[in-house]
Amino acid sequence: EADIYQTPRYLVIGTGKKITLECSQTMGHDKMYWYQQDPGMELHLIHYSYGVNSTEKGDLSSESTVSRIRTEHFPLTLESARPSHTSQYLCASSKGLAGTYEQYFGPGTRLTVT
Amino acid sequence: ILNVEQSPQSLHVQEGDSTNFTCSFPSSNFYALHWYRWETAKSPEALFVMTLNGDEKKKGRISATLNTKEGYSYLYIKGSQPEDSATYLCAIRDNFNKFYFGSGTKLNVKP
Repeated sequence: EADIYQTPRYLVIGTGKKITLECSQTMGHDKMYWYQQDPGMELHLIHYSYGVNSTEKGDLSSESTVSRIRTEHFPLTLESARPSHTSQYLCASSKGLAGTYEQYFGPGTRLTVT
Repeated sequence: ILNVEQSPQSLHVQEGDSTNFTCSFPSSNFYALHWYRWETAKSPEALFVMTLNGDEKKKGRISATLNTKEGYSYLYIKGSQPEDSATYLCAIRDNFNKFYFGSGTKLNVKP
């Protein structure tokens, strides 16, 4: 059973607000990932981290930022939300490089910016 | 950006039918392929991680094969059950540690 949590599960917020999507895992995994999925579209990797103080951008350009100060915590921040940020955001983690290790996904945060 | 294609987009079968889906990808820069099952309102669940050409993996009634030279993987479900209804996702990791997902095959198994 994977122990990876995301909060909030659903968020409706106005344009211009700052938001932070939380992701935590209790498995001690070094590798963590953020994916974005628009309705009916593919999952796109937007950020990943190899460990504490390591963050990299994924293949999809994103205005969000991430931090990794603790192994178990990988929050994603949007400084000023816009309607174009409306999407589902999924967090994942893996024991090692996810080429050879499976990723464990959280339940996702569905964000709507009005 | 690496293009991962899955077919069919959706599939409706009767309970007991066997079925298979395809994941196609460019064979250059390939490092690994992942199959996931994603049930509505749940998290994607990893089924298989495959890296070697000719790899075959099996978990219960579900199995998968990998051909890295021609750039495809098949996922088979033998004797489909209603609880197999889900979206099946394929993802490729390239040599630069980037992940690319297909848009999935949505399977509906009717009792």
